[in-house]
Amino acid sequence: NAGVTQTPKFQVLKTGQSMTLQCAQDMNHEYMSWYRQDPGMGLRLIHYSVGAGITDQGEVPNGYNVSRSTTEDFPLRLLSAAPSQTSVYFCASSYGKLGKQYFGPGTRLTVT
Amino acid sequence: GQQLNQSPQSMFIQEGEDVSMNCTSSSIFNTWLWYKQDPGEGPVLLIALYKAGELTSNGRLTAQFGITRKDSFLNISASIPSDVGIYFCAGQLYITQGGSEKLVFGKGTKLTVNP
Repeated sequence: NAGVTQTPKFQVLKTGQSMTLQCAQDMNHEYMSWYRQDPGMGLRLIHYSVGAGITDQGEVPNGYNVSRSTTEDFPLRLLSAAPSQTSVYFCASSYGKLGKQYFGPGTRLTVT
Repeated sequence: GQQLNQSPQSMFIQEGEDVSMNCTSSSIFNTWLWYKQDPGEGPVLLIALYKAGELTSNGRLTAQFGITRKDSFLNISASIPSDVGIYFCAGQLYITQGGSEKLVFGKGTKLTVNP
């Protein structure tokens, strides 16, 4: 059981570039979420999904897109990266209640 | 929007000392959770609390769900060097409009333990 996996672990982008952060879980969890973590800000919810084919916006969704075509995968897309998106991104999943989430190891993204 | 005030922001203690941190809010939460994050890793769930007044222990960790449902505390007894990390509280509440659930995180307490 690998739990929640994220790739890449580190990424540097130039302003305007696009990329996809990958997230996968092998626990058959319905709920998956993306958070960003900035110094002094704690964790802020970007987007979440309650099941395959269903996604919704979190607290800070602007500049990010998500899709959920399978239960296992929940990729996060940055269409045109901006320096304000420099952050550490965490993917999380849970069986049912949003609270009991299992987090991935994170992706550290720098946008120059 | 709903916010959690977590305190203290940071703590520097000696090995063997007890630690206490708390989260408060003006909103009522259905669930309180406490996570620990080690450097370079994702948060790991320590304790989940589901009922007002609930007191739950996990080894040297004890957490309580406040009676008013607006606060929670986490205690660590007899701290050891591996307790170092950032501790986050999180509150889950039910949004009646739309019928969804929302999880709100505190900003974290950074714990340093001197051997």
